[in-house]
Amino acid sequence: KQEVTQIPAALSVPEGENLVLNCSFTDSAIYNLQWFRQDPGKGLTSLLLIQSSQREQTSGRLNASLDKSSGRSTLYIAASQPGDSATYLCAVFSTGGKLIFGQGTELSVKP
Amino acid sequence: GAGVSQSPRYKVAKRGQDVALRCDPISGHVSLFWYQQALGQGPEFLTYFQNEAQLDKSGLPSDRFFAERPEGSVSTLKIQRTQQEDSAVYLCASSLFDLAGSYEQYFGPGTRLTVT
Repeated sequence: KQEVTQIPAALSVPEGENLVLNCSFTDSAIYNLQWFRQDPGKGLTSLLLIQSSQREQTSGRLNASLDKSSGRSTLYIAASQPGDSATYLCAVFSTGGKLIFGQGTELSVKP
Repeated sequence: GAGVSQSPRYKVAKRGQDVALRCDPISGHVSLFWYQQALGQGPEFLTYFQNEAQLDKSGLPSDRFFAERPEGSVSTLKIQRTQQEDSAVYLCASSLFDLAGSYEQYFGPGTRLTVT
């Protein structure tokens, strides 16, 4: 059974720092991996989708990497801003298209 | 174009009541998913539709939960005889293509259900 773990559960950093969020999964036979952002009381906003054949994806200040063999993905946020404060969720695509989510990393960026 | 919409956004039900949660996916999206998100947790899969066919309902926690998508567009998640443990945010997502989990899922804002 696929399990997804995110570390750390919470992170607080000063504005301007570069930071890395970690995601690990137990079954390397995944299709793709998707990173989301969730603001309090809101739905999920897709940040990046990494195809299983890719090793990384970039969007603005965000860079996500995927290493299927080791069962890991990282989300790198450059020059963090207070507006980046949110919960970040990692999810792997399982058979049938359903997403298996981690529990999320709650990020707080202090001005 | 419009994203995924869900209604109501908030629902308070007394224990034992039936509730119906609605999802309007992005127009033309074949796949539709329901997820349940408990407080402080990541979403968990409930059920999946490809057009009007319910292909996977393995995540539904009990037979009190029922979902339908009769015309392959709007979907309704119904919970009968609600219990306190049903309190959660119910998220709907749609995707352009079918099967294989290869395509990006777009999420609605969710319905927050509170059972008192």
